[in-house]
Amino acid sequence: EVQLVQSGAEVKKPGESLKISCKGSGYSFTSYWIGWVRQMPGKGLEWMGIIYPGDSDTRYSPSFQGQVTISADKSISTAYLQWSSLKASDTAMYYCARGTTGTTGGWFDPWGQGTLVTVSS
Amino acid sequence: SYVLTQPPSVSVAPGKTARITCGGNNIGSKSVHWYQQKPGQAPVLVIYYDSDRPSGIPERFSGSNSGNTATLTISRVEAGDEADYYCQVWDSSSDHVFGGGTKLTVL
Repeated sequence: EVQLVQSGAEVKKPGESLKISCKGSGYSFTSYWIGWVRQMPGKGLEWMGIIYPGDSDTRYSPSFQGQVTISADKSISTAYLQWSSLKASDTAMYYCARGTTGTTGGWFDPWGQGTLVTVSS
Repeated sequence: SYVLTQPPSVSVAPGKTARITCGGNNIGSKSVHWYQQKPGQAPVLVIYYDSDRPSGIPERFSGSNSGNTATLTISRVEAGDEADYYCQVWDSSSDHVFGGGTKLTVL
């Protein structure tokens, strides 16, 4: 079974750093893109960026470029999303999702269960 | 940047047909994918490549795409179909784009 399992909920203070994870299993982790999607409370889905674990090719949405860093460690089939200095406006649910193989385009399936990040002083 | 426009809400009676639209400039030239998100759950892919269904998705879910509008159609709507639905495309200038989402209410 193809599965993405994300790390647990986080509560942080503004200015702190954070790295959340997404571990893939049941498929060739290096052959499929992994995307990250933000969902702010009560709002819709926003695409943040995508990484190809095979060669770490990474693309960012202009809205998130410079605000987050996406990385992957193919030796442990895990992708990461990190912040160097969190803001209250980063409070949201963050999902990872498997993209397609080869091309960066296409759909996302399956999705991780989500990681809730709360940033509050 | 490429923009996808969905109606905020659609209401339908049980057993009837729901149609959720996704508008975009010449969207018919792109591949459209649809996701269902129930409260407190992660999104689930229900349609890919405009009209293909992943395994496990009922035949009641179908999709079409032409001109400036893509449509997700849910036939014989059930109470369990109540959810938010999002369309998504890949665009060469904007990369991945999601629509704003449509809340489907089953009356």
